[in-house]
Amino acid sequence: KAGVTQTPRYLIKTRGQQVTLSCSPISGHRSVSWYQQTPGQGLQFLFEYFSETQRNKGNFPGRFSGRQFSNSRSEMNVSTLELGDSALYLCASSFPDRAGEQYFGPGTRLTVT
Amino acid sequence: GENVEQHPSTLSVQEGDSAVIKCTYSDSASNYFPWYKQELGKGPQLIIDIRSNVGEKKDQRIAVTLNKTAKHFSLHITETQPEDSAVYFCAANTGNQFYFGTGTSLTVIP
Repeated sequence: KAGVTQTPRYLIKTRGQQVTLSCSPISGHRSVSWYQQTPGQGLQFLFEYFSETQRNKGNFPGRFSGRQFSNSRSEMNVSTLELGDSALYLCASSFPDRAGEQYFGPGTRLTVT
Repeated sequence: GENVEQHPSTLSVQEGDSAVIKCTYSDSASNYFPWYKQELGKGPQLIIDIRSNVGEKKDQRIAVTLNKTAKHFSLHITETQPEDSAVYFCAANTGNQFYFGTGTSLTVIP
């Protein structure tokens, strides 16, 4: 069974621009969560989507948004990029059970210059 | 919200020795505790997990213990091998979201 895939793997953007990251979950998984990983803050929860609806949201500004499509694929968008948004963005998928096992993709490395 | 603390931040062991990583959590509502291994350039990989109705779980060389009263859980790796070298994260799930520890960089010295 294929794992979680994320595209692109690497991205370089300039301050003020916006970016869209994509995540395809494991087949059959309907829940997709997004995380930001940085050396200083570690792994921080951004949001979770299930059945095209945002089910939970972490403590990030409104510049961070996401959506999920009917095939469970998900995208996250960051608008008006700041230098501090440079991070590894990870997507994880799981079965609908809220406390279910979560499987991560390889991440998208975003660098903001 | 939940607060997960993880210790130590770095750990070096000789090949064949055991490694223990400890985490504490604050929210008694947390009921699922996974451990992840992250290698350089990769996403975290689920290696073992435990639910709040279980005290211990073992999978070959890896075991996890949970003390609900004290709100702490630990990862035990026996007979360590160089390929065990990686960053390990603990996490706690309250039913709404996962909260992660800050990671332990494990180095197994051949």
